Amino acid sequence: EIVLTQFPATLSLSPGERATLSCGASQSVSRNYLAWYQQKPGLAPRLLIYDASNRATGVPDRFSGSGSGTDFTLIISRLEPDDFAVYYCQQYGTSPWTFGQGTKVEIK
Amino acid sequence: QKQLVQSGPEVKKPGTSVKVSCKASGFSFSNSAMQWVRRARGQRLEWIGWIVIGTGNTNYRQGLQERVAITRDMSTDTSYMDLSSLRSEDTAVYYCAARTGDGGFDIWGQGTMITVSP
Repeated sequence: EIVLTQFPATLSLSPGERATLSCGASQSVSRNYLAWYQQKPGLAPRLLIYDASNRATGVPDRFSGSGSGTDFTLIISRLEPDDFAVYYCQQYGTSPWTFGQGTKVEIK
Repeated sequence: QKQLVQSGPEVKKPGTSVKVSCKASGFSFSNSAMQWVRRARGQRLEWIGWIVIGTGNTNYRQGLQERVAITRDMSTDTSYMDLSSLRSEDTAVYYCAARTGDGGFDIWGQGTMITVSP
């Protein structure tokens, strides 16, 4: 199965700063079928990005996704208080679909 | 609005089965796909499987496929995840998530806590 490794594990930043989150795959992700989710405690994940670079409906444009093959990035251009959460990547190009272990974005 | 509402928490004995429901509203259920995912405490999200609602075609995680069945009832816009021969390691929060358009899995249920305990 494709193993997704996210780094860093924790990102300590201040509101207004730029966050860069990485997701590396052990094999190439087919058709760049990679999604990014945001999750807050006690809530379900929220889709941010699909197919590596497409923003989901209603997602602010400060969130952007890029990458292909085995290396993917989620950028939050200017952190807002509501953005402090855990972020996961998921590949859905090859069965079994898999998730990364998550990056926690915390307030510095 | 688009919504998925899951059934409530359950406590089960090892060796028994559980069936979690996921009722859709606000979008075309028949034109959607549904994935089921779980998270055990302290673990990463784990994909269980998915179903294309219109065709009923399914795909499961190897290692679970002998014990899991994902189904749908198009008369009630509900998907089900059935897990049998429960073990303590199946204790987790289970989520359903729908792909309602051409994008990713954009609508998630609220999660269902399944506890397997003697």
